[in-house]
Amino acid sequence: LAKTTQPISMDSYEGQEVNITCSHNNIATNDYITWYQQFPSQGPRFIIQGYKTKVTNEVASLFIPADRKSSTLSLPRVSLSDTAVYYCLVGGPKGDTGRRALTFGSGTRLQVQP
Amino acid sequence: DTGVSQDPRHKITKRGQNVTFRCDPISEHNRLYWYRQTLGQGPEFLTYFQNEAQLEKSRLLSDRFSAERPKGSFSTLEIQRTEQGDSAMYLCASSPSRTSGSSNEQFFGPGTRLTVL
Repeated sequence: LAKTTQPISMDSYEGQEVNITCSHNNIATNDYITWYQQFPSQGPRFIIQGYKTKVTNEVASLFIPADRKSSTLSLPRVSLSDTAVYYCLVGGPKGDTGRRALTFGSGTRLQVQP
Repeated sequence: DTGVSQDPRHKITKRGQNVTFRCDPISEHNRLYWYRQTLGQGPEFLTYFQNEAQLEKSRLLSDRFSAERPKGSFSTLEIQRTEQGDSAMYLCASSPSRTSGSSNEQFFGPGTRLTVL
């Protein structure tokens, strides 16, 4: 399974855009890139997933360069409620084949200040 | 159905006792996962069910751990002869058989926090 590397922690202020970059140098051809968010005493929550280029949903954008060896989660105009741990994961091919379980790293602790 | 539920939310036990946790996945999700999370770390995979079949087990799942999903709906995770090192958050997640967009989207429960004294 591809290993991911992301910053241990980041600080930001309300209203700013936050970009969290994840390195995954040995990502496989059929691996997807997925980000999860986790608040204290809760289970992780899916944020966004992509394979290449750019993906955007109502809460975040995911930028993936052509070589796919890294990805950047972008959170626009963060608020205090975005304070959480963010995990970057790779793997899990579509369909019913392949390993289904998720492999989490240590994540990035984002602290949003007022 | 509002999501994955887990019971109990907290469990304190003495070393050597047995404990059992329950997970109720989202209805019609036939995939169910157990993870363990210690402070400051991301969740670690323990085991995976598709319907009632246990298809994958992690090396973390020692002989003292057993999981079941007898009717392909709820699941139980039992830890026998608990040790202090078993203290952690035990998370359950579920996912549907086929996901149209997100192959890695799993829906997590709130977890059961186990403290072994």
